[in-house]
Amino acid sequence: KAGVTQTPRYLIKTRGQQVTLSCSPISGHRSVSWYQQTPGQGLQFLFEYFSETQRNKGNFPGRFSGRQFSNSRSEMNVSTLELGDSALYLCASSFGFGPTDTQYFGPGTRLTVL
Amino acid sequence: GENVEQHPSTLSVQEGDSAVIKCTYSDSASNYFPWYKQELGKRPQLIIDIRSNVGEKKDQRIAVTLNKTAKHFSLHITETQPEDSAVYFCAARPTGRRALTFGSGTRLQVQP
Repeated sequence: KAGVTQTPRYLIKTRGQQVTLSCSPISGHRSVSWYQQTPGQGLQFLFEYFSETQRNKGNFPGRFSGRQFSNSRSEMNVSTLELGDSALYLCASSFGFGPTDTQYFGPGTRLTVL
Repeated sequence: GENVEQHPSTLSVQEGDSAVIKCTYSDSASNYFPWYKQELGKRPQLIIDIRSNVGEKKDQRIAVTLNKTAKHFSLHITETQPEDSAVYFCAARPTGRRALTFGSGTRLQVQP
């Protein structure tokens, strides 16, 4: 079974631009979570989707948004990019919405904001 | 919300020695504790997890222990090998919430 995939793998943007990242979960998985990883802040939760509905949201500004499609694929969007948005953005998928469901990570999208 | 503290931040051991990484959590409602290994430039990979109804779980050279009263859990790696070198993250998730709260990571270096 193919793992979680993310596109693109690398992105370079300038301040003020917007960006859209994509995540395809493992086949059959219906839950997708997004995390931001930086050297200073570690892994921080952005949001989670299940059955096309956002179920949970972390403490990030409204510039960060996401959605999930009927095939469980998910996208996240960051508008008005800031230098501090440079990070590795990871998505993780799980089969369901249970409290102990295992999350499997994708390879990430490395975003650099100049 | 949940807060997870992880120690040490770096750990260097000789090949064949054991390594122990410790995490504490704040939310007594947490009931799921996974450990992820992240090699340089790669995705975090789940190596072991434990649910709150279990005190210890082993998988070959890796074991995790959980003390719910003290709200801490630990990763134990025995007979370490150079390929164990990576950053290890612990995480916790409270009942009823989906988001994982991660520790700050431990960089493990196994010296051959």
